[in-house]
Amino acid sequence: KAGVTQTPRYLIKTRGQQVTLSCSPISGHRSVSWYQQTPGQGLQFLFEYFSETQRNKGNFPGRFSGRQFSNSRSEMNVSTLELGDSALYLCASSTERNQPQHFGDGTRLSIL
Amino acid sequence: GENVEQHPSTLSVQEGDSAVIKCTYSDSASNYFPWYKQELGKRPQLIIDIRSNVGEKKDQRIAVTLNKTAKHFSLHITETQPEDSAVYFCAAKLFAGGTSYGKLTFGQGTILTVHP
Repeated sequence: KAGVTQTPRYLIKTRGQQVTLSCSPISGHRSVSWYQQTPGQGLQFLFEYFSETQRNKGNFPGRFSGRQFSNSRSEMNVSTLELGDSALYLCASSTERNQPQHFGDGTRLSIL
Repeated sequence: GENVEQHPSTLSVQEGDSAVIKCTYSDSASNYFPWYKQELGKRPQLIIDIRSNVGEKKDQRIAVTLNKTAKHFSLHITETQPEDSAVYFCAAKLFAGGTSYGKLTFGQGTILTVHP
């Protein structure tokens, strides 16, 4: 079974731009969560989607948004990029809300 | 909200020794506690997890213990090997009910180095 797939693996953007990251969960997994990983803040929860509905949201500004499609694939969008948005963005999926989460390799976003 | 504290931040052991990493959590409603291993440049990988109705769980050289009263859980690695070197993260989550379905709250991580 293929694992969680995130694209692209690397992105370089400049301040003020926007970016869209994609996550394809493990086949059959309907829950997708997004996390931001930085050396200073560690792993922080962004939001979770289940059956195309956002079920929970972390403490991030409204510039961070996401969505989930009917095939469970998810995208997250960051608008008006800031230098502090440079991070590894990780996606995790699970079969349903009460099952272990499995992570993708992440998208490394660098803001210049 | 939930807060997870993890100690130590770095841990250095000799091959064959045991390693213990400890975490405390703040929300007594949390009932699921996974541990992830992240090697440099790679994804976090689930290595073991425990639910609050169990006090201990073991998988070969890895074990996790949970003390619900103290809101404390620990990862134990025995007979460490150089390939165990990585960053280890503990996490806590509320399973079922509430609104924290997918939200894992992570500790800050422990860099484990196993010297040959």
